[in-house]
Amino acid sequence: GAVVSQHPSWVICKSGTSVKIECRSLDFQATTMFWYRQFPKQSLMLMATSNEGSKATYEQGVEKDKFLINHASLTLSTLTVTSAHPEDSSFYICSARDTGSNYGYTFGSGTRLTVV
Amino acid sequence: QKEVEQNSGPLSVPEGAIASLNCTYSDRGSQSFFWYRQYSGKSPELIMSIYSNGDKEDGRFTAQLNKASQYVSLLIRDSQPSDSATYLCALEWANAGNMLTFGGGTRLMVKP
Repeated sequence: GAVVSQHPSWVICKSGTSVKIECRSLDFQATTMFWYRQFPKQSLMLMATSNEGSKATYEQGVEKDKFLINHASLTLSTLTVTSAHPEDSSFYICSARDTGSNYGYTFGSGTRLTVV
Repeated sequence: QKEVEQNSGPLSVPEGAIASLNCTYSDRGSQSFFWYRQYSGKSPELIMSIYSNGDKEDGRFTAQLNKASQYVSLLIRDSQPSDSATYLCALEWANAGNMLTFGGGTRLMVKP
């Protein structure tokens, strides 16, 4: 149980374009999902907390107009990187918690974004 | 002091030995503690969670929590080369919106 599906697993895009990443909870409902970014040899850094039916909460230093988050249902959150630049190249990972179990926080498989 | 601290390693142990991974944290009314394993290029996977002082065992893994000393550790018995990965300590702070704060991770290398 407590499976989180994330797509795509990798994407290459041109500078200035936008990329959408999807995160789905497959066997539980998630009113809250979390988006992390991880640069090489660094730990996970929380970018934002996605709340179903309301605005996301962004961490300090994360541009909300650049990283658009939509959490329209209890099983789906999306992160759109707008006007991507090479410095946005990173590993993006979503996470959710099945509060009805002891699985703790489950992570999606991650999306490797490369902006060229 | 960082909120969650781990020695970045690498920690090198021979196959079959016990690997000991440590994590210290700032006291902010921490509530839940988690150990994750992350292979290179992959997302973290949960190994264990621990909520109260003492030891918790699951197979070859034992998590130890000492709230008075503000540390949580993970012991891996009979280490295998497949255990080679980065181990992330994560804390869920009380009154912090149910989000995780991660340590920097410790890279473990188990040599055959």
